Amino acid sequence: DVQLVESGGGLVQPGGSLRLSCPASGFSFSSYSMSWVRQAPGKGLEWVSTISGSGGGTWYSDSAEGRFTISRDNSKNTLYLQMKSLRVEDTAVYYCAKDSQAIGGHELVSWGQGSLVTVSS
Amino acid sequence: EIVMTQSPATLSVSPGERATLSCRASQSVTSNLAWYQQKPGQAPRLLIFGAYFRATGIPDRFSGTESGTEFTLTISSLQSEDFAVYYCQQYLDWPLTFGGGTKVEIK
Repeated sequence: DVQLVESGGGLVQPGGSLRLSCPASGFSFSSYSMSWVRQAPGKGLEWVSTISGSGGGTWYSDSAEGRFTISRDNSKNTLYLQMKSLRVEDTAVYYCAKDSQAIGGHELVSWGQGSLVTVSS
Repeated sequence: EIVMTQSPATLSVSPGERATLSCRASQSVTSNLAWYQQKPGQAPRLLIFGAYFRATGIPDRFSGTESGTEFTLTISSLQSEDFAVYYCQQYLDWPLTFGGGTKVEIK
């Protein structure tokens, strides 16, 4: 079974930084693109970023571009999201999700349970 | 950016009845459309990809159709476990975008 377990969330002040991790198991990690999707409290889903299976391709939403960095360590089967210059509006549950293919963005086949990031003073 | 618009925002349905959810794309996404189900406190779950292919383990009471830029998710006979929020998502182009969701509630 595919398992994705996000960690690293918590309370951070505006302007602060945080790094989310998502160790994966149950599939050939390097063979699939991986994404981060967030959900603000009581709101809908918002795509944040995607990285290709090799790590050579990355894509970001406008709100994440320049502040967030997606990366992966295929030797550790782990996905990361480094977030800096955090804003109150970044408060959300952050999900990591497995794509259906190795390159680009497609349907998100498996999701972790999410990690809550709260940005507040 | 491709905007995905879902309607209605809330759908009240009795168990055993049919539910029809709509999703409209602001431009063609050529079948690059997925549907997800999300229950309170849980992560989303993939139901449909490629506009009409059911994901692994999804019962056949869930079906998807496409007509140009209009997509429909139909639940043929609602079961108690189907009351949830449903989202559509396009993956033709960056940024990947989701609709605002349709909440299916018990009538």
